[in-house]
Amino acid sequence: NAGVTQTPKFQVLKTGQSMTLQCAQDMNHNSMYWYRQDPGMGLRLIYYSASEGTTDKGEVPNGYNVSRLNKREFSLRLESAAPSQTSVYFCASSPVWTANSPLHFGNGTRLTVT
Amino acid sequence: GIQVEQSPPDLILQEGANSTLRCNFSDSVNNLQWFHQNPWGQLINLFYIPSGTKQNGRLSATTVATERYSLLYISSSQTTDSGVYFCAVGLYNNNDMRFGAGTRLTVKP
Repeated sequence: NAGVTQTPKFQVLKTGQSMTLQCAQDMNHNSMYWYRQDPGMGLRLIYYSASEGTTDKGEVPNGYNVSRLNKREFSLRLESAAPSQTSVYFCASSPVWTANSPLHFGNGTRLTVT
Repeated sequence: GIQVEQSPPDLILQEGANSTLRCNFSDSVNNLQWFHQNPWGQLINLFYIPSGTKQNGRLSATTVATERYSLLYISSSQTTDSGVYFCAVGLYNNNDMRFGAGTRLTVKP
């Protein structure tokens, strides 16, 4: 049982390049999330998908797009990468969107934009 | 938006010692969770505790919602407890939460 799987683990981009971060979960969870983690700032929610077929903006959505491809997969796209998007990106899932529904995190993608 | 402050920012302990981590928040919350990020970067959900007290082995947590703070207790600390502990809070009954900056715990053998 893999849980939440993110690819790639590491990525270096030049300013202006685009890329897609992939996330898949095998726990049959309804809700999925993308966070970014910057030094000294904890995690910030970029986008979430409360259920298959829906996506919504979180705290820091600018510069990102998402796709809930199916119940298992939730991808994050950077259309034109900027140095400010250098960060560690975490995908998470939870059984449902309600509060008492623990988040299960992937191992993260470390992205550097030069 | 809601503010979340965690203290202390850094904590160094000898193995076997006890510790208390604090999370203060600026508004009434319906959702409060504690997470542990180990030195390899993995994030583990420890507690969902918008009010009251819960215990899980050597870890326990207490949230006093009326006074807007939560405490995470670690007893008889072990080196595997090292890492960063995050508190996350939410205003509504969903998982749109705001994270604190974390407390970095180092347990020395």
